[in-house]
Amino acid sequence: QVQLVQSGPEVKKPGASVKVSCKASGYTFRDHGITWVRLAPGQGLEWMGWVSVKNGQANYPQKIKDRVTMTVDPSTNTVYMELKNLRFDDTATYYCARVDDDGWFYWGQGALVTVSS
Amino acid sequence: DIVMTQSPLSLPVTLGEPASISCRSSHSLLYRNGNNYLHWYLQKPGQPPQLLIYMGSNRASGVPDRFSGRGSGTDFTLQISRVEAEDVGVYYCMQDLQTPRTFGQGTKVEIK
Repeated sequence: QVQLVQSGPEVKKPGASVKVSCKASGYTFRDHGITWVRLAPGQGLEWMGWVSVKNGQANYPQKIKDRVTMTVDPSTNTVYMELKNLRFDDTATYYCARVDDDGWFYWGQGALVTVSS
Repeated sequence: DIVMTQSPLSLPVTLGEPASISCRSSHSLLYRNGNNYLHWYLQKPGQPPQLLIYMGSNRASGVPDRFSGRGSGTDFTLQISRVEAEDVGVYYCMQDLQTPRTFGQGTKVEIK
């Protein structure tokens, strides 16, 4: 069965970086891109971008494109999302999801990133 | 960016009664292939979002038939024919037509 398993919770200081992983299994990895969404406390869902696992090409929203990088390791079927220069308002649960033409059905369990001094 | 506007933002419902959520987009989501690139998600506390409706009106696998979606272009509606206790959570519409992908603000459904 399709599974996306994410790395564990992280606590970081402002200005630091965090790298969250999303390991895929149960399907042909190269057939689907991976997208990332976050949910901050008291806020709504926010799209963080996506990456093609075929060629590593990524697309990020303007708001965070200078701070986010999504990479792919095909040898381990893992996608990484790195967020740099963390701010307090980056505190959120970060989710990965498999990109499909008809919506995002498969999601990771989420990874809580807390930015605290 | 395409702006997605949901209403209401809070929806107290009675068990067994119907419920409806509206979603409007600032740009038509109807593509030349006839599909509306609008999806509905439900997020329950502590869980990842779950896909309910895709392309405006298609129920995702495993979604009960009390959920339905309708609309086209810029106006969409999610309907629950008879609310059950397990339906509480925050409902989001999301446009899948252009980057950046954008979500509505979310509608919190709770039982009265």
